[in-house]
Amino acid sequence: GENVEQHPSTLSVQEGDSAVIKCTYSDSASNYFPWYKQELGKRPQLIIDIRSNVGEKKDQRIAVTLNKTAKHFSLHITETQPEDSAVYFCAATNDYKLSFGAGTTVTVRA
Amino acid sequence: EAQVTQNPRYLITVTGKKLTVTCSQNMNHEYMSWYRQDPGLGLRQIYYSMNVEVTDKGDVPEGYKVSRKEKRNFPLILESPSPNQTSLYFCASSGTAQETQYFGPGTRLLVL
Repeated sequence: GENVEQHPSTLSVQEGDSAVIKCTYSDSASNYFPWYKQELGKRPQLIIDIRSNVGEKKDQRIAVTLNKTAKHFSLHITETQPEDSAVYFCAATNDYKLSFGAGTTVTVRA
Repeated sequence: EAQVTQNPRYLITVTGKKLTVTCSQNMNHEYMSWYRQDPGLGLRQIYYSMNVEVTDKGDVPEGYKVSRKEKRNFPLILESPSPNQTSLYFCASSGTAQETQYFGPGTRLLVL
């Protein structure tokens, strides 16, 4: 089955700096890679996703890149703000089964 | 309002006492799934359902059962709960596995 590894497990950044979270996956057939954000005490919510036919996708301060050859994808958050503090999860799926990474706790220092 | 609901939100029970956590969605989604969230392990898929009467195992199905008799409902059944099933459980729904997963509010379960 699919195995998704996520790094780092914790990340502390100064407000205004960038944050990068990296994930690797094992199943070369995986073709959909979403990222979810979970604020403290709340449910996960999708923030961005990318499909295997695209190398990069941006949405305002958030971008995701995908390297199919190396089987890794990354989340980039620019100009971080206090409201970006949360746990971020990457995930991968090739069809019906969805596998998540262990999560990255991001803390933005004022 | 489009939503996924779960009940109960909090549950304390004892080992071996059967319980059911309900999940319902009003978005006419085909795909529904259950996850458990544990510190350091992220979200792990327990079971998923591609459509009515069609379910399959996720990564951690042991000790759990599900059923999908209606499109909107996807209950999670613990026939004989054990302390290692103490966790935060999320139900989610979407059109397919490759679309936005809409998560329920979560059910925090403590098995003594």
